[in-house]
Amino acid sequence: AQKITQTQPGMFVQEKEAVTLDCTYDTSDPSYGLFWYKQPSSGEMIFLIYQGSYDQQNATEGRYSLNFQKARKSANLVISASQLGDSAMYFCAMREGRRSSGDKLTFGTGTRLAVRP
Amino acid sequence: DAGVTQSPTHLIKTRGQQVTLRCSPKSGHDTVSWYQQALGQGPQFIFQYYEEEERQRGNFPDRFSGHQFPNYSSELNVNALLLGDSALYLCASSPRTGAYNEQFFGPGTRLTVL
Repeated sequence: AQKITQTQPGMFVQEKEAVTLDCTYDTSDPSYGLFWYKQPSSGEMIFLIYQGSYDQQNATEGRYSLNFQKARKSANLVISASQLGDSAMYFCAMREGRRSSGDKLTFGTGTRLAVRP
Repeated sequence: DAGVTQSPTHLIKTRGQQVTLRCSPKSGHDTVSWYQQALGQGPQFIFQYYEEEERQRGNFPDRFSGHQFPNYSSELNVNALLLGDSALYLCASSPRTGAYNEQFFGPGTRLTVL
């Protein structure tokens, strides 16, 4: 089974509107972390937001928020007030286990977001 | 404060050759991970180094090897290159202790095997 599933290969959003990018995950480990990265055409992976499995509140970072539904094993990224510069590939990733077991990230296949003016 | 740096930016090799890619972690980070990202796919974990030893390894053949130096920088070596090794190679660094959410990537090295 896929550990990280991103079901939206591509999405469009109108500038200044909000958009939700879906991510579901699969793990039996009670300790894990979920990351979202943005990858522009230049190739660099830019860290956006992090959610730990024991975090009580949904993570927020500026215009980015993470809709964390633990029982459903989903960690959707919400981008508010979309900007043209948000056009990029977005990846959801998971680190399983406690920190002492390492930092390996498992990535989904990504969602390409295009922001329309 | 410099972030993660990688060199070279681009590289072209032919089948059967060997290649070495380099990575310097973000200041304060002591753990380095390497990922391979084929065109149109998500990054795949190759291996991770800290304390100058390989600690975790993904599903990659022994042709892929690495090294970490005392200053925490790292090298990725690939022997007997295949056409399928063409990809973007990303390095990520993180602190062994401290913040759980810090895992930052470098700009990558784009390897083309002809």
